[in-house]
Amino acid sequence: AQTVTQSQPEMSVQEAETVTLSCTYDTSESDYYLFWYKQPPSRQMILVIRQEAYKQQNATENRFSVNFQKAAKSFSLKISDSQLGDAAMYFCAYRSQRGGSEKLVFGKGTKLTVNP
Amino acid sequence: GAVVSQHPSRVICKSGTSVKIECRSLDFQATTMFWYRQFPKQSLMLMATSNEGSKATYEQGVEKDKFLINHASLTLSTLTVTSAHPEDSSFYICSARGSPPETQYFGPGTRLLVL
Repeated sequence: AQTVTQSQPEMSVQEAETVTLSCTYDTSESDYYLFWYKQPPSRQMILVIRQEAYKQQNATENRFSVNFQKAAKSFSLKISDSQLGDAAMYFCAYRSQRGGSEKLVFGKGTKLTVNP
Repeated sequence: GAVVSQHPSRVICKSGTSVKIECRSLDFQATTMFWYRQFPKQSLMLMATSNEGSKATYEQGVEKDKFLINHASLTLSTLTVTSAHPEDSSFYICSARGSPPETQYFGPGTRLLVL
């Protein structure tokens, strides 16, 4: 079974600075998807970024980018120019591409604090 | 696009009663929806996968007779907590498979408190 590990329970960053959140996963599959979701205090889960494993190019969405290292099974999230609104729980998630395996496997999350 | 709503956002009920939570995909059709439970300061725990027109698939350890799921249309799935007890108090979140199809979009969640 696949597992997702987020080794940083909490992180903090100064406003306007850059922070990187770590995520590693374990799988024997070669094709899959990886996601970062954000859960602010409202508890609404918001998709931040997604990555297809077959793509070598790292995904980018505005201030959010990932460092996808397939061989190392690492999928870190970099937030640039951090804003107060970025404060939230961040969850890394894995989804198999195998048919019939649609469920997401989540990590335990990293709580990000943004200091003004 | 890919907006998912949940109703109610918060519900308080007495022990022994049943509670129904609705999950709707507002601007897309969702053949597959998912129901999660989240305890405070913890990650999401998948309870079941809901497929339109067929029986839901429950995760190991989740009582199907306790948590009834119905996915009668391409935009609506419901979770009914039957004979609720205080230990069922939790935050319940649904998601729907949107576009691209491997991506799940989440509802805002429902906080259930059973007295």
